[in-house]
Amino acid sequence: DAGITQSPRHKVTETGTPVTLRCHQTENHRYMYWYRQDPGHGLRLIHYSYGVKDTDKGEVSDGYSVSRSKTEDFLLTLESATSSQTSVYFCAIRARDTAYNEQFFGPGTRLTVL
Amino acid sequence: TQLLEQSPQFLSIQEGENLTVYCNSSSVFSSLQWYRQEPGEGPVLLVTVVTGGEVKKLKRLTFQFGDARKDSSLHITAAQPGDTGLYLCAGIATSGTYKYIFGTGTRLKVLA
Repeated sequence: DAGITQSPRHKVTETGTPVTLRCHQTENHRYMYWYRQDPGHGLRLIHYSYGVKDTDKGEVSDGYSVSRSKTEDFLLTLESATSSQTSVYFCAIRARDTAYNEQFFGPGTRLTVL
Repeated sequence: TQLLEQSPQFLSIQEGENLTVYCNSSSVFSSLQWYRQEPGEGPVLLVTVVTGGEVKKLKRLTFQFGDARKDSSLHITAAQPGDTGLYLCAGIATSGTYKYIFGTGTRLKVLA
């Protein structure tokens, strides 16, 4: 357990509405990540952050934005949710006290866009 | 674009059988991680392999990194129902970054 929490854990919303998912960590890790997990696609990187206000895109970043104003929080925003964004979203950190680039994951947020 | 291909995608076996899961790429990785994920939870790290040819054991699970560091395998001896889950391999996608890519996963079901 790397002290990662995600909120909300479940959310149902309607197409066109904005949605923000929150990832919170308590151990001062520098790197944080947002993934989505869909059947047949495994985990795909949306965005990641390598420090406060430092972010970069992943392979499926279209339609998503992120913000990191403090070390412990990494927010994922869907500006205008679409049905194709129905997925399970996982936050992860890269553990700063390991030598082998290991990631640890939060419990996930199940998002349904109707 | 680096890819990690896992096989098989699905595996249903009886308790006590052995199995092997493969993670293959055409690219070289500095390290590969293996994760297990249970329904409704996030992936949990099992092991990291770093050196070409390396073999690591975790109870009944044996992990191997290919000599050329392009592939890895997970072998489970005498599978038990508690081994049921989704197994994922992962590695750093691009040297000099901390962007990861994941394999598509192997869903294992062990029947009692």
